[in-house]
This record gives sequence, structure tokens and C-alpha cells, in this order.
Amino acid sequence: DAGITQSPRYKITETGRQVTLMCHQTWSHSYMFWYRQDLGHGLRLIYYSAAADITDKGEVPDGYVVSRSKTENFPLTLESATRSQTSVYFCASGTGWPDTQYFGPGTRLTVL
Amino acid sequence: QQQVKQSPQSLIVQKGGISIINCAYENTAFDYFPWYQQFPGKGPALLIAIRPDVSEKKEGRFTISFNKSAKQFSLHIMDSQPGDSATYFCAARPPIYQLIWGAGTKLIIKP
Repeated sequence: DAGITQSPRYKITETGRQVTLMCHQTWSHSYMFWYRQDLGHGLRLIYYSAAADITDKGEVPDGYVVSRSKTENFPLTLESATRSQTSVYFCASGTGWPDTQYFGPGTRLTVL
Repeated sequence: QQQVKQSPQSLIVQKGGISIINCAYENTAFDYFPWYQQFPGKGPALLIAIRPDVSEKKEGRFTISFNKSAKQFSLHIMDSQPGDSATYFCAARPPIYQLIWGAGTKLIIKP
């Protein structure tokens, strides 16, 4: 089915562990985004990518790493998870203009 | 200058009433203003959007009102229904950057 998927949907990990959240889209959208959503903060942009092999920092990039070797995939890695990274993470994709972003279902990450 | 301030944080409206959510910005270079709707357990989805060259855009029961001089824009939901209960986000786009998001408004429509 066409769309944008995220995996896993739920993840519990421990402080200091590396975690990778996956995002896959079937529309061949050039832009992809990672957000985190926390109560009181709305959506905060972590990283975005304008095309394969092109990534850039958003508002809150510290502690996160991204890569985009293929247009359809945009994994987000927490190199050493911290409790402050407990959040719901959303991946989105878009064509760039107009700025409609299509969101995945989210990954709820808990860092103990 | 890159902030978008959204109010109220939460809103309760009776069924059939008008729901109004407001957003304010400071950067006059913003050139695109969307509203997204998010249901519990789902990702946000585009609801309606406006550009600064128009003062109002209507799609069904949803209307964006845009006041360029006041640097404010608002979402009006007419004849609000329980199915409209969701979190609403406003956003704004600077010309060479990605969307700047408001903090969200949790809307509850009471039957």
C-alpha cells in the first residue's frame, strides 16, 4: 500500500543504548522530516532531508543522527539514548512546495 | 522572530457552536500558513492552508481568517461536531526554511 510507515510503533529502551527508528515512504517525495512531539511543545523539527544524501538540522538535532541513502527511507538514530528523548516521533514526507507534509503514524519511544 | 504563538492551549465547545483557534507570528517574511489536524494516536494531517495574499479561505465548515497587518491568523470551525475533537496545529513557513509550528490546541466538542 502506498503511504508512509514507521517502525517500530512502540519502543522501550534504556539510557545509553543506541536506537534506530525507521521511516519509509512510497510516494517518492523528495522531502522527508523527523519531528518529536512533546506535551506543551507541539511539533519540533529534528532533521530534514531535501533529497537522497542531503540532510540538514532542524530545531532540536542534538543527540540524533540521520541518513538518507535512498529516497524512500529516512532512518533516525539515537546514538546514546537519554531520558529526555522519551517522546513520540513522527516522520513526514512532502514535495517541498506546496508545503503539504504527510505524516506517518508515529513511534512512541520510552527511555528508562 | 521565528516563533508562532498559538492560543488557547485547550478549548471546549458545545456541539453546533463555533470553535476559534488563534495564531500570531512576528516574521513578516512568512509566506504560507497551514493548519493541521491530529487525532489521538495518529499523525497530523493537513486541514486547510492560506497564503498571505488572501484574507480568508473557506473549505466546508473550516475557515482560515488572515490579518496581515496584525500578523495573526485563525481557524474557525462552524457547526462544530464531536468528530472535530482533535488537536489542531497552526504553522508558518519562512521562505527558505521549513515549517515553524504552533504548540497546538486540544479541542473537545461536547455533544
